[in-house]
Amino acid sequence: GDSVTQMEGPVTLSEEAFLTINCTYTATGYPSLFWYVQYPGEGLQLLLKATKADDKGSNKGFEATYRKETTSFHLEKGSVQVSDSAVYFCALIPTPLMYSGGGADGLTFGKGTHLIIQP
Amino acid sequence: NAGVTQTPKFRVLKTGQSMTLLCAQDMNHEYMYWYRQDPGMGLRLIHYSVGEGTTAKGEVPDGYNVSRLKKQNFLLGLESAAPSQTSVYFCASSYGSSRRDYEQYFGPGTRLTVT
Repeated sequence: GDSVTQMEGPVTLSEEAFLTINCTYTATGYPSLFWYVQYPGEGLQLLLKATKADDKGSNKGFEATYRKETTSFHLEKGSVQVSDSAVYFCALIPTPLMYSGGGADGLTFGKGTHLIIQP
Repeated sequence: NAGVTQTPKFRVLKTGQSMTLLCAQDMNHEYMYWYRQDPGMGLRLIHYSVGEGTTAKGEVPDGYNVSRLKKQNFLLGLESAAPSQTSVYFCASSYGSSRRDYEQYFGPGTRLTVT
């Protein structure tokens, strides 16, 4: 079945450091890929997404590029802030069997990466 | 818009007790989902619904039942709680669409402890 693998952490960085959180996936066809963020005590929020190879998703200074050749969707940010401390989840929606009603089966998540940014 | 809300926020049950978790969304979404989040496991799909009156099993459905009597509500039931069901439960909703870049909107979660 489909799966997502990501570094689990915790990852501890100093403010203004460069961030990379690795994410690789196993899926047939062409899944859509997502990064979700969970701040302490809250639900998950969509951070960015990409739906086809070489697409780059970006939001709030974070970026990730859909690399089909390496089945990866690594999250990067050039200069992190204390407010970026959270748990980050990589996720995918598998290729739907039929395009109508696609995505009904829910997201497949990685285990999450706990990011801690120190001032 | 309140988005996705969940009731209750916290609950402690004894083994064998039953309870129902309520999820409500005000975005007129067709699809709704229940996930559980466990340390080191990420989120796993329990059940989902693609519309009023429909439900389907996800990855970890055993021990849970669901109902979608109204479009805006999705209920998750535990008939006989077990310690293995101690978890944080998240509800989510999304548009029903053939688009593959749709977003799931998550509720704040319910922390359930079974002793």
